[in-house]
Amino acid sequence: SQQGEEDPQALSIQEGENATMNCSYKTSINNLQWYRQNSGRGLVHLILIRSNEREKHSGRLRVTLDTSKKSSSLLITASRAADTASYFCATDDNDYKLSFGAGTTVTVRA
Amino acid sequence: DVKVTQSSRYLVKRTGEKVFLECVQDMDHENMFWYRQDPGLGLRLIYFSYDVKMKEKGDIPEGYSVSREKKERFSLILESASTNQTSMYLCASSVGVGRVAFFGQGTRLTVV
Repeated sequence: SQQGEEDPQALSIQEGENATMNCSYKTSINNLQWYRQNSGRGLVHLILIRSNEREKHSGRLRVTLDTSKKSSSLLITASRAADTASYFCATDDNDYKLSFGAGTTVTVRA
Repeated sequence: DVKVTQSSRYLVKRTGEKVFLECVQDMDHENMFWYRQDPGLGLRLIYFSYDVKMKEKGDIPEGYSVSREKKERFSLILESASTNQTSMYLCASSVGVGRVAFFGQGTRLTVV
């Protein structure tokens, strides 16, 4: 079953603004990951945060994890047109497999 | 550079045909996965394999089977294609538990 659920489903922002999306999950995890998918392509890994970490940064990306609330957020700062994509969180369910949510579609307007 | 390659980007097949989707990875990863992606439903796991000749059902295995005879290759088989299997199919590989997955470019399958 799908573990992660992203919110909102869609987001439209102006170039230069920040974009925030959230992910909630149901069971305990080892790690939580965020992926990006450009239209019609495969997914590309962005960042992995371990269950004992609370915050992680990678370039313009900031991820937080709250295991008590079973939730994570992804913040993209100073967005660019190239950030237009769908973003997915993925959880490992303490297992080999990764479970993905339905994703958040982000549109960055010039 | 790590690579997961799916045999076709686009495929059109007729109802009832047997369809093979091939996926090859060059990273010596133990784990390989097949997902299908449909609008509003995200990625749903069909099957995965954590070793050669090993396979486990995912969330939606009905109508599909898989084969993993070699570590680098994971095949998805639609025994008798149906129109409701029209979808984007994504292959991925990873190593260990909860590790980063590397995805192929996807195969958009249309069953007519």
